[in-house]
Parts: sequence; structure tokens; C-alpha cells
Amino acid sequence: KAGVTQTPRYLIKTRGQQVTLSCSPISGHRSVSWYQQTPGQGLQFLFEYFSETQRNKGNFPGRFSGRQFSNSRSEMNVSTLELGDSALYLCASSLIVQKTSYEQYFGPGTRLTVT
Amino acid sequence: TQLLEQSPQFLSIQEGENLTVYCNSSSVFSSLQWYRQEPGEGPVLLVTVVTGGEVKKLKRLTFQFGDARKDSSLHITAAQPGDTGLYLCAETDSWGKLQFGAGTQVVVTP
Repeated sequence: KAGVTQTPRYLIKTRGQQVTLSCSPISGHRSVSWYQQTPGQGLQFLFEYFSETQRNKGNFPGRFSGRQFSNSRSEMNVSTLELGDSALYLCASSLIVQKTSYEQYFGPGTRLTVT
Repeated sequence: TQLLEQSPQFLSIQEGENLTVYCNSSSVFSSLQWYRQEPGEGPVLLVTVVTGGEVKKLKRLTFQFGDARKDSSLHITAAQPGDTGLYLCAETDSWGKLQFGAGTQVVVTP
């Protein structure tokens, strides 16, 4: 079974631009979550989508948005990029949605560099 | 929001040595997961522990969940260079979101 895939793997953008990242979950997984990972802040939750609806949201500004399609594929968008948005953006999918045991399977990430 | 504290932050050992990393919280975990992340890759789920006092083994890795479900440890026996990576513990919060600790960076040198 194919794992979680993310495209592109690497991206360089300029301040003020916008960017769209894509994630394809494991087949059959309906929940997709996005995380930002930086050396200073570690892994921080951005948002989670389930059946095309945003179900959870982290503490990030409105410049960060996402969506999920009917085939469970997800995209996240960052508008008006800032230098501090440089990070590894990770997507994770989950099959079993249980609040007490939320096991997630991560993709390799997209390394975004903002200059 | 429950905060997960991982210790130590960094651990460097020689191949063949043993090591233990810890994950602690002031609140009770509903369940706890351990992940390992290698450079340039996403975290990979190693194990989920749910029951207080639970011990799980994965080859040379032993995971323990404290009796009071407020702490967990990961012990690696006879570490190998392939064990090098960032070890992360994570817990599902009451909103169903996964909260991660800052991680322990483990380096095993030949």
C-alpha cells in the first residue's frame, strides 16, 4: 500500500508570495492533518480535515488555510509569505478516528524556504 | 493544553551502548505514541501505549507507560547507528489533536 505522498518536496519562495502544498493520504484514510516543523518550535499542529470538513485548527494566523477534496487529497495554502514561514510542512493521514488513540502516518514533508 | 516534556534534549552514544529517553506530563495521558524521525523525512509511528503499566517491545526497543499514565520511557538496548534520529512522544488531546513533545535527538556513532 502506498504511503502518504507530498508534493513538492522542496520549494523556494519570496516574501509576499503565496504557496500551495499538496498531500495524498494513504488509500482509505479519510483524515488528513497538517503540521509545521521548525527547529525552534518543533512540530506544531496546523489543521485537520475529515470528509472535506475542517475539524480541528491550531493557533496559526488566517494566512494558513487548507481544504480537502472528495478523494481525501488535501492542499494547504499560505498567503503573503513571511520569512518565519520557512519550515518543513508535514501531512499525516489517519484511518481510525478515535479520540483516545490517534495514530497518524506522515508523509516525507515539503521543505519551504522563504527568502 | 497539556505540555509534554521530553528529556534529555540530546543524546550521543557509541554503538552497543544502551539509552533511555523520557516523556512526562503533569496530566494523565489518554494514550501515548512514540515516533522516530530521520533527517529529511516525516515521523514514523513506533508504538502506541494505552494502559497504565504497559510494556511493549519492538526488537531492541522497549516502551513503558507509567502506572499513573503521566510518564513514559523508551529504552534502546545495544544501540546501532540506524537508531539515530529524533524521538518524539505525542498525545491526543481532548479535542482530538495530536500534541508532540519537543523530541530527543539521538546520535549513535559506530
